[in-house]
Amino acid sequence: GEDVEQSLFLSVREGDSSVINCTYTDSSSTYLYWYKQEPGAGLQLLTYIFSNMDMKQDQRLTVLLNKKDKHLSLRIADTQTGDSAIYFCAESIYTGGFKTIFGAGTRLFVKA
Amino acid sequence: NAGVTQTPKFQVLKTGQSMTLQCAQDMNHNSMYWYRQDPGMGLRLIYYSASEGTTDKGEVPNGYNVSRLNKREFSLRLESAAPSQTSVYFCASIQDRVITDTQYFGPGTRLTVL
Repeated sequence: GEDVEQSLFLSVREGDSSVINCTYTDSSSTYLYWYKQEPGAGLQLLTYIFSNMDMKQDQRLTVLLNKKDKHLSLRIADTQTGDSAIYFCAESIYTGGFKTIFGAGTRLFVKA
Repeated sequence: NAGVTQTPKFQVLKTGQSMTLQCAQDMNHNSMYWYRQDPGMGLRLIYYSASEGTTDKGEVPNGYNVSRLNKREFSLRLESAAPSQTSVYFCASIQDRVITDTQYFGPGTRLTVL
């Protein structure tokens, strides 16, 4: 079946690195995404990685993909209070059409 | 360029009442989606429209109907609201329904059914 799992909460101190983890079940995933949701707002795409890559870096964000273990992580370096939000992992699969499966979201708390 | 807009932002209904959630996008996107977000769960797809004039069921379509009024607008209707439909509803759009495209989300409608 298709499932994306994430831990629900993460708390870090300002300036530390945050690592948010995600596992997925569908091995036919082609793209994996990280979305950010701030309070009262919709989801905003942060970054994505193609399934034949194992790492992608974009400024403070590093995405690591272990396709063998179906494990995806998002590392935020030098975490700031403005990074406090819910982070959603998502995978796209093709089953005769494009479909996105979302995880439940990880709520990141950043303590000053 | 407003992106994806949704109205209303908040709504309280009584069980059995009906209402329509509105969504519009100004990016000339072909595909539009309605999701619901519940605590501890990811977004679940209710309905989608791959192009103007077509609509298809998603994962949780029961109790909802949709209309793709034109390329810009995609509405979601609850004919007889139930407490189980208390949720936050998000509309999203995408240029084409292919893997590499990014979904753009609206700000959401928070619906409470008493």
